[in-house]
Amino acid sequence: EAGVAQSPRYKIIEKRQSVAFWCNPISGHATLYWYQQILGQGPKLLIQFQNNGVVDDSQLPKDRFSAERLKGVDSTLKIQPAKLEDSAVYLCASSLAQGSEAFFGQGTRLTVV
Amino acid sequence: AQSVAQPEDQVNVAEGNPLTVKCTYSVSGNPYLFWYVQYPNRGLQFLLKYITGDNLVKGSYGFEAEFNKSQTSFHLKKPSALVSDSALYFCAVSADYKLSFGAGTTVTVRA
Repeated sequence: EAGVAQSPRYKIIEKRQSVAFWCNPISGHATLYWYQQILGQGPKLLIQFQNNGVVDDSQLPKDRFSAERLKGVDSTLKIQPAKLEDSAVYLCASSLAQGSEAFFGQGTRLTVV
Repeated sequence: AQSVAQPEDQVNVAEGNPLTVKCTYSVSGNPYLFWYVQYPNRGLQFLLKYITGDNLVKGSYGFEAEFNKSQTSFHLKKPSALVSDSALYFCAVSADYKLSFGAGTTVTVRA
């Protein structure tokens, strides 16, 4: 069974630029999560989708971050414009249903300079 | 609201000794509880979960965890630690369909 795929693995951008991350979840998984993990901290949930609907985006900085999951399969997370404090690893995860274990991709390491 | 606390930033043990990583949680309602492990430059890997039933759950790589409702705890244990168990461990709780993580505990097992 293929795992959660994320791209790119690494990205370096200048502040005020825009960036997009892509995630393809495990086939058949209805729930998709985007987490931000700053070095030395636990993952912080940015947004959670159930199929193509948003379940929770209370911690998503909506003035600069956006995410979509068209057709309820793959998803993109965008940052525009980026700030220095956005430097982190962005993790995508998926689960069969809400409440079941989540499976994580390898993440995208973003460095904003 | 839900939250997870991992009171120890670091745990150091000698190889062959028992390993315990502590976790406490706060939720309204019945929790689903999880442990994940993260190796350097890798994503999080699922270890085990508690949904309902037996309070002692067994997972991957010889790990187990004990659910204690009265103490709202879900400590991770391994009877005999290996050097290869050195990693970052996260406890997570799911209630109201959200999955929240603790800050993590770095485990170092010395040879």
